[in-house]
Amino acid sequence: GAVVSQHPSWVICKSGTSVKIECRSLDFQATTMFWYRQFPKQSLMLMATSNEGSKATYEQGVEKDKFLINHASLTLSTLTVTSAHPEDSSFYICSARRLADQETQYFGPGTRLLVL
Amino acid sequence: GENVEQHPSTLSVQEGDSAVIKCTYSDSASNYFPWYKQELGKGPQLIIDIRSNVGEKKDQRIAVTLNKTAKHFSLHITETQPEDSAVYFCAASMTGFQKLVFGTGTRLLVSP
Repeated sequence: GAVVSQHPSWVICKSGTSVKIECRSLDFQATTMFWYRQFPKQSLMLMATSNEGSKATYEQGVEKDKFLINHASLTLSTLTVTSAHPEDSSFYICSARRLADQETQYFGPGTRLLVL
Repeated sequence: GENVEQHPSTLSVQEGDSAVIKCTYSDSASNYFPWYKQELGKGPQLIIDIRSNVGEKKDQRIAVTLNKTAKHFSLHITETQPEDSAVYFCAASMTGFQKLVFGTGTRLLVSP
């Protein structure tokens, strides 16, 4: 149990376009999902915390108008990178917590974004 | 806020040897400490976790120890295998708070 999927696994887009990444908890309900960004050979950087039915909480320095997060159901959260630029190229990873466990985070496989 | 330091940054061992990765945390209120394994191009996978009410937890070849007084916890891998090669991250959090604070990662290389 505790499987988290992400779609797409990789995406290449032109500068100025918007890209949507989906994060789904496949076999459990998740009231809270998290979005991370990871640069090569670095640790995970938390971008925002997404709670079902409410606005996401963004970390300091993360532009909420650029990284739009929607958590419309207990199994789906989406991250939209708006007007993407080459500096937005990165590995984006989501995680989810079960309803019954307020500590453990289960991670998705990640989405690699390349903005040309 | 919480700060987690992780050492070493790289660790090379021979197959069959043991590997130990250490983390220290700053906030004594932290009470949940997971370890994740991340293979190249993949998301982190939870391999073991420990809560502050226990000092040690073991799962087959993997064990984690926690010293609350010294505010450090360690991952122990015995009888290492080449498939253990990956980047390992420690993390810390407090019950009731949402965020995990991650260490900087340890790249483990197990040579056959």
